Amino acid sequence: EVQLVESGGDLVKPGGSVTLSCAASGFTFDSYYMDWVRQAPGKGLEWVSCISGSSSHKYYANSVKGRFTIFRDNAKKSLYLQMNSLRVDDTAVYYCARESAEADADWLDPWGPGTLVTVSS
Amino acid sequence: SFELTQPPSVSVSPGQTARISCSGDPLSKQYGFWYQQKSGRAPIVILYKDTERPSHIPARFSGASSGTTVTLTISGVQAEDEADYYCQSADSSGNYKIFGGGTKLTVL
Repeated sequence: EVQLVESGGDLVKPGGSVTLSCAASGFTFDSYYMDWVRQAPGKGLEWVSCISGSSSHKYYANSVKGRFTIFRDNAKKSLYLQMNSLRVDDTAVYYCARESAEADADWLDPWGPGTLVTVSS
Repeated sequence: SFELTQPPSVSVSPGQTARISCSGDPLSKQYGFWYQQKSGRAPIVILYKDTERPSHIPARFSGASSGTTVTLTISGVQAEDEADYYCQSADSSGNYKIFGGGTKLTVL
């Protein structure tokens, strides 16, 4: 069974840092792009970042560029999101998700259950 | 512009047909995908590549595409279909993804 489980969410002060983890199982991890998507309380989904299987390509939403870093450890089948200079509006549930393997069609399936990051003083 | 627009809410009675639209320039070049998110749960994909349905998704969910709009249709809506629905697409490179604002489906 393909499974993703996030961890690392916490209460952090503005300007602080946190690193999220996503443990993957049930598929050939290094063959897939992986993504982070977030959802602020009561709001919609916002794509955050993605990384290629070999880590050679990384992309970020403008809202997090320069503050967040996506990386992965294929030996550990794990995806990470290092979040620095956190702001109150970064408060959200953060989901990791696997991209489809099809060319030219980048849907996300499955998603993990999410981990909550709260940025507050 | 790089955005997708959905109606904030749609309401239907059980057994009726619900249609949720998603419009935006990215859809003229890239596929649209649809996700269902029930309260407190992670999203799941219900349609991919505009019209394709995963095998475990009921046949009452269908999709259509025309120009810069994709449409999710739920035929014979059931109470369990009450959820938030999000469309998703990407820029021309496929590397930057975009979600619509979401549509809350209420089953009366």
